[in-house]
Amino acid sequence: EPEVTQTPSHQVTQMGQEVILRCVPISNHLYFYWYRQILGQKVEFLVSFYNNEISEKSEIFDDQFSVERPDGSNFTLKIRSTKLEDSAMYFCASREQLEQYFGPGTRLTVT
Amino acid sequence: KNEVEQSPQNLTAQEGEFITINCSYSVGISALHWLQQHPGGGIVSLFMLSSGKKKHGRLIATINIQEKHSSLHITASHPRDSAVYICAVRNQGAQKLVFGQGTRLTINP
Repeated sequence: EPEVTQTPSHQVTQMGQEVILRCVPISNHLYFYWYRQILGQKVEFLVSFYNNEISEKSEIFDDQFSVERPDGSNFTLKIRSTKLEDSAMYFCASREQLEQYFGPGTRLTVT
Repeated sequence: KNEVEQSPQNLTAQEGEFITINCSYSVGISALHWLQQHPGGGIVSLFMLSSGKKKHGRLIATINIQEKHSSLHITASHPRDSAVYICAVRNQGAQKLVFGQGTRLTINP
């Protein structure tokens, strides 16, 4: 069964560094999402992406964040200058119809 | 803005018990998802509902659109069902999901 994959599974970085989280959505899906979950808190929406552009973003998704679909398979989330409060689990999701399929997540730790 | 509330926040039960987790939301939706999150953190989609009822194995999900309420039931619960169960809704016309805070379920043998 096709699945969403994410790399790396765990990323440790120093405050102020740039990180890129990578996702490979399911191949025929057209809608892509990033969510995050700070430890002990709800999952929160960051951004949705369709037709090579951002279709919706949250207040969290400020100028420090960007998304890209550099080729036909990858979907990336870049954080330009990480802060301690960016430490969280980041989930990618994709969909073709209504149902979203989630990746296993990348645990980002900012020290 | 849709507020999604789940109850209970924590639930501990004995193996074999019938489990019910509830979700209510404040604004009309196009779809409601029930998700399962295991201790490692990964999220698995269990159901997507826009009306009525769905069943998959020992899991049953129902939704009442008028009442803005959904329930997830687990029959003959088993320790491997121990996880966090999350309700998430998609508002009409929106792309994103809005998540509840999750219900931590522990099934003891």
